[in-house]
Amino acid sequence: EAGVAQSPRYKIIEKRQSVAFWCNPISGHATLYWYQQILGQGPKLLIQFQNNGVVDDSQLPKDRFSAERLKGVDSTLKIQPAKLEDSAVYLCASSLGRGQGGYTFGSGTRLTVV
Amino acid sequence: SQQGEEDPQALSIQEGENATMNCSYKTSINNLQWYRQNSGRGLVHLILIRSNEREKHSGRLRVTLDTSKKSSSLLITASRAADTASYFCATDETGGFKTIFGAGTRLFVKA
Repeated sequence: EAGVAQSPRYKIIEKRQSVAFWCNPISGHATLYWYQQILGQGPKLLIQFQNNGVVDDSQLPKDRFSAERLKGVDSTLKIQPAKLEDSAVYLCASSLGRGQGGYTFGSGTRLTVV
Repeated sequence: SQQGEEDPQALSIQEGENATMNCSYKTSINNLQWYRQNSGRGLVHLILIRSNEREKHSGRLRVTLDTSKKSSSLLITASRAADTASYFCATDETGGFKTIFGAGTRLFVKA
């Protein structure tokens, strides 16, 4: 079974620039999550999709972050404009559904904002 | 805010020793999960324990759950250098949609 694919692996941008991350979940997984992990901390949920609908985006800074999941498969997370404090690893994960076992995570995108 | 809090924050042991990590949480949960994260990599799911279970085993891993104390422990027996990683607990809140992660325990196993 192929894992969760994420790209790019690394990204360095200047503050106020925009950036986009891409995620391809495991085939058949209805639920997709984007997490932000700042160095030394645990992952913080940004947004959760069930198929192509948003279930929870309460911790997504909507003035600068946006995400979509077209056709209930791939997803993109965008930051515009980026701030220094957005430097983190952005993790995508997928699961069959809530309460149906653990998540499968991708390797993440490490973003550095300078 | 984070639901789970791991203890200790960091742990250093010799190869062959057992490692125990604890997790406390605040609200009622459906299940609790443990994940491992090697440096610079994504998280790997280790084990899930449901709220009506008290203990679960998987290979060298043993997880306990005490819902009355809102706490869980992860025991790694006969540790190996390859177990060096960060370990996170995560909880699915009852009636909620989120899985919330703690800040993690950093385990270092010396060869």
